[in-house]
Amino acid sequence: DAGVIQSPRHEVTEMGQEVTLRCKPISGHNSLFWYRQTMMRGLELLIYFNNNVPIDDSGMPEDRFSAKMPNASFSTLKIQPSEPRDSAVYFCASSLEVRGRGETQYFGPGTRLLVL
Amino acid sequence: AQKVTQAQTEISVVEKEDVTLDCVYETRDTTYYLFWYKQPPSGELVFLIRRNSFDEQNEISGRYSWNFQKSTSSFNFTITASQVVDSAVYFCALNSGGYQKVTFGTGTKLQVIP
Repeated sequence: DAGVIQSPRHEVTEMGQEVTLRCKPISGHNSLFWYRQTMMRGLELLIYFNNNVPIDDSGMPEDRFSAKMPNASFSTLKIQPSEPRDSAVYFCASSLEVRGRGETQYFGPGTRLLVL
Repeated sequence: AQKVTQAQTEISVVEKEDVTLDCVYETRDTTYYLFWYKQPPSGELVFLIRRNSFDEQNEISGRYSWNFQKSTSSFNFTITASQVVDSAVYFCALNSGGYQKVTFGTGTKLQVIP
């Protein structure tokens, strides 16, 4: 079975440009998570969707970040405009949520973003 | 609030040695879930194990074993007869409160020297 798919795997862009990261969760999973990993801050949850609805976006750094999940098989994380401090590895994860059961999150391979 | 502490930042062992990675957690909930993930140098996060708070039995999977002790709020991970392929960063994580948010520890970097 296919795992979580993320694209692109690597992205190099210049400050001020728009960046769009894409994620396809595991088929049948109903929860999707976007994380950011940096050396300084470790793994941070940015936003969490359940059944395509954003449940918790308290981790989104600022208005430059936005995320959408138009259907159960696709999500995007957009940064506009990008800044050098956004350089990080961005992970998407998915799980099959059964209320209150702390289901396992399965991670994609990540997108390594470098903003120059 | 939930918190995970992995006090060991980096550990180096010689191949074939046993090594234990420590994880201490904090939560006020009686129902919670604990996880370990492995992040090899290639960067992906690989799920290793999930335990719930009602099951304190130790678990063994090949060279890997986990010791869950509620009395000390610990969920330690032991690798027996370590191998170079075990070199990675290992994360302990906690989910509690009936909500899907998972809190990750800061990770322990394990280096197995041949």
